[in-house]
Amino acid sequence: DQQVKQNSPSLSVQEGRISILNCDYTNSMFDYFLWYKKYPAEGPTFLISISSIKDKNEDGRFTVFLNKSAKHLSLHIVPSQPGDSAVYFCAAKSGGSNYKLTFGKGTLLTVNP
Amino acid sequence: GAVVSQHPSRVICKSGTSVKIECRSLDFQATTMFWYRQFPKQSLMLMATSNEGSKATYEQGVEKDKFLINHASLTLSTLTVTSAHPEDSSFYICSARLLSANYGYTFGSGTRLTVV
Repeated sequence: DQQVKQNSPSLSVQEGRISILNCDYTNSMFDYFLWYKKYPAEGPTFLISISSIKDKNEDGRFTVFLNKSAKHLSLHIVPSQPGDSAVYFCAAKSGGSNYKLTFGKGTLLTVNP
Repeated sequence: GAVVSQHPSRVICKSGTSVKIECRSLDFQATTMFWYRQFPKQSLMLMATSNEGSKATYEQGVEKDKFLINHASLTLSTLTVTSAHPEDSSFYICSARLLSANYGYTFGSGTRLTVV
């Protein structure tokens, strides 16, 4: 049972345009969401996160939007750069003292020059 | 920033042998480490949570006797794959929880295990 879903396995965008990566979740106990970037044969690198009490968090070119009622979050990258090409994972943490993360399957983003 | 060093990055072993993977927190103390496994084009699946000085907590379906986790110090956690079989071939990643307000987690660089 996939509690965190990234339904698009891949996304291709042109350099300079906006990349929008989507993530849906089913567990209403999730209270914190994180986005990670991962290159092949490397560990994930933290990008940006958002608490469930917020609906937007911005850090430079990266913005994460959270729609709690729809159990949906998205990562916007603008402008997209070729170096952004990687697999992006959405992850969620349950409330309380359980710090385990549940990951989606990832979306491969390719930014074309 | 907080760094977790994971070794080896790649290992090939014969069926039936054991392989140890180490994760060290280099500039911070990691009271909690998480061990993940990733199959190609799949998500990172949590295998177990290790807490310094206590037994690891394994996720459902993960064999405790096969995947031995030791977290004897605040800077070192190890995962030993015992009696490895080809189906254990995977990418293993450790992660440490950072005691910061944003629930940061830092990941090791991963270990590609191939059992032949």
